[in-house]
Amino acid sequence: ELKVEQNPLFLSMQEGKNYTIYCNYSTTSDRLYWYRQDPGKSLESLFVLLSNGAVKQEGRLMASLDTKARLSTLHITAAVHDLSATYFCAVRPGETSGSRLTFGEGTQLTVNP
Amino acid sequence: EPEVTQTPSHQVTQMGQEVILRCVPISNHLYFYWYRQILGQKVEFLVSFYNNEISEKSEIFDDQFSVERPDGSNFTLKIRSTKLEDSAMYFCASRGWTGNQPQHFGDGTRLSIL
Repeated sequence: ELKVEQNPLFLSMQEGKNYTIYCNYSTTSDRLYWYRQDPGKSLESLFVLLSNGAVKQEGRLMASLDTKARLSTLHITAAVHDLSATYFCAVRPGETSGSRLTFGEGTQLTVNP
Repeated sequence: EPEVTQTPSHQVTQMGQEVILRCVPISNHLYFYWYRQILGQKVEFLVSFYNNEISEKSEIFDDQFSVERPDGSNFTLKIRSTKLEDSAMYFCASRGWTGNQPQHFGDGTRLSIL
């Protein structure tokens, strides 16, 4: 059974600081996704990481994937209050079309002024 | 930008009643999904649907659950006899034909079982 673990689960940081969220998964996968969820809202796709060594950046967020270590990171640079949300990584384990996403527990990020 | 739409946004139902949650996926998408999220917990997969049939389902998706694509645009999730533990946010998602695309999620239906 695929397990996806994120840490930390709760992150409180000050504006302007940097931090990294980690996502470990237990079986082979070549597709990893990061989503953002605001309270009571839907999941917004942030990044799709498709291969080992993939790195993607959007604004103050940068995501990377190491398939050998089964690890993805979401790095936050110079955090601002608008980044406060819950961030989920999700893994698609197989090549089968339409296969499920297995989500991590989520990291609740609070950026304080 | 095209989006996945779900109705209703909130459904309150007595335990034991049937409920149907509705979704309109993005129009050119081929793969459809239902997920649920119990308050404060992670998102859990329920079922995936492709080519008018279920392609995968989780252990949560038991005989009380069914899905249907009745008319080529709507995608529904039915729970036949609701239980208290079915209370959750239910998300519909859809994806285009390439595996490189993310699943796009709707805003969800909050289901409250009394």
